[in-house]
Amino acid sequence: DADVTQTPRNRITKTGKRIMLECSQTKGHDRMYWYRQDPGLGLRLIYYSFDVKDINKGEISDGYSVSRQAQAKFSLSLESAIPNQTALYFCATSDSTGDAEETQYFGPGTRLLVL
Amino acid sequence: DAKTTQPNSMESNEEEPVHLPCNHSTISGTDYIHWYRQLPSQGPEYVIHGLTSNVNNRMASLAIAEDRKSSTLILHRATLRDAAVYYCILRDVSNTGKLIFGQGTTLQVKP
Repeated sequence: DADVTQTPRNRITKTGKRIMLECSQTKGHDRMYWYRQDPGLGLRLIYYSFDVKDINKGEISDGYSVSRQAQAKFSLSLESAIPNQTALYFCATSDSTGDAEETQYFGPGTRLLVL
Repeated sequence: DAKTTQPNSMESNEEEPVHLPCNHSTISGTDYIHWYRQLPSQGPEYVIHGLTSNVNNRMASLAIAEDRKSSTLILHRATLRDAAVYYCILRDVSNTGKLIFGQGTTLQVKP
């Protein structure tokens, strides 16, 4: 079984709809991240969480919200989806080494299309 | 955050070594050099990291220049499965865990 899972893997929605992307991990890591990737570009950080009570904005958080329901679960919500949120979304985890040697482990991604 | 510069694309033949360069002329003394790769239709995966000394693991080797302003990821025998986008990323203790991805190098491996 995969250590980091994302659901759904693909989603088509309409402008204005609220949707939630879910991430679960079995690695026992404290830290979780949400990134988005646009075609031909690298990943950009949306939100990150260092533990259940900690939520931080990344570089592109506008239009998104997150919930850390448990150590193993981190959800990303689009309150009112718009077409330019069409992208590939990745969840990642890392243990709390808190230093520059920290390694992140990524899920398989969710492909979102907003019509 | 210090920036990295990588070639947009490279080609290699199967079973030959591949040297993927990365320039990071503004690297600070506390920056670690990390490499991740992203296979088609998958999430990024960690490859290797280092600070000053050359590093080896089961996936690759990392050669770091003495002045640390450049580094090279070495795949000793490229396979078709190594075709991916390779990202060189600098990390220090102040970047609160986030990875800053550039555009990376797209490696094509020819049979």
